[in-house]
Amino acid sequence: DAGVIQSPRHEVTEMGQEVTLRCKPISGHNSLFWYRQTMMRGLELLIYFNNNVPIDDSGMPEDRFSAKMPNASFSTLKIQPSEPRDSAVYFCASSLRRGHGGEQFFGPGTRLTVL
Amino acid sequence: KQEVTQIPAALSVPEGENLVLNCSFTDSAIYNLQWFRQDPGKGLTSLLLIQSSQREQTSGRLNASLDKSSGRSTLYIAASQPGDSATYLCAVRRLGGDDKIIFGKGTRLHILP
Repeated sequence: DAGVIQSPRHEVTEMGQEVTLRCKPISGHNSLFWYRQTMMRGLELLIYFNNNVPIDDSGMPEDRFSAKMPNASFSTLKIQPSEPRDSAVYFCASSLRRGHGGEQFFGPGTRLTVL
Repeated sequence: KQEVTQIPAALSVPEGENLVLNCSFTDSAIYNLQWFRQDPGKGLTSLLLIQSSQREQTSGRLNASLDKSSGRSTLYIAASQPGDSATYLCAVRRLGGDDKIIFGKGTRLHILP
């Protein structure tokens, strides 16, 4: 298996622009998680899905952030409009909810820089 | 609210030594605990997962223990190598059907050649 795939790997954009991050979970996994990592705050869970349904979005910082999972093999995290404080590494992870204790497997991340 | 703490934040150890990384959590009602490794600029790699009913898990030179009642886990690395240099994070998943895991901020390990 190719593991969790994220694109792009790096994104540099200007303040006010829309940013879309993409994730393809491991085939057969039914839970998907979006995280943000910064030096100051560490890893924070933004939102997670079970069977394509958003379960908990309490970590989404504000209305500028939105996430979708239209099918079992694809998810997007959108920021609009982007701000410099959104600069961080964004990780996607997936797991098989009822197998292996829900062990999470992470993608390589997208490094976002908002100028 | 579950909080996960890892002390120290950074550690340097000469090659060949055995070492222990610590993780503590405030709420003992956990479903499992997972140890990850993160190399600079990379994603997280799962190392070991311990279910709440287990006391330890082993993989090669790594051994993770869990003491739920005291809210502690340790990751033991035997015969450390320069390739072990990375940040190690622990994360706990609480009981109750929730799939969320709470991460510590990690211990940055440097093995001196």
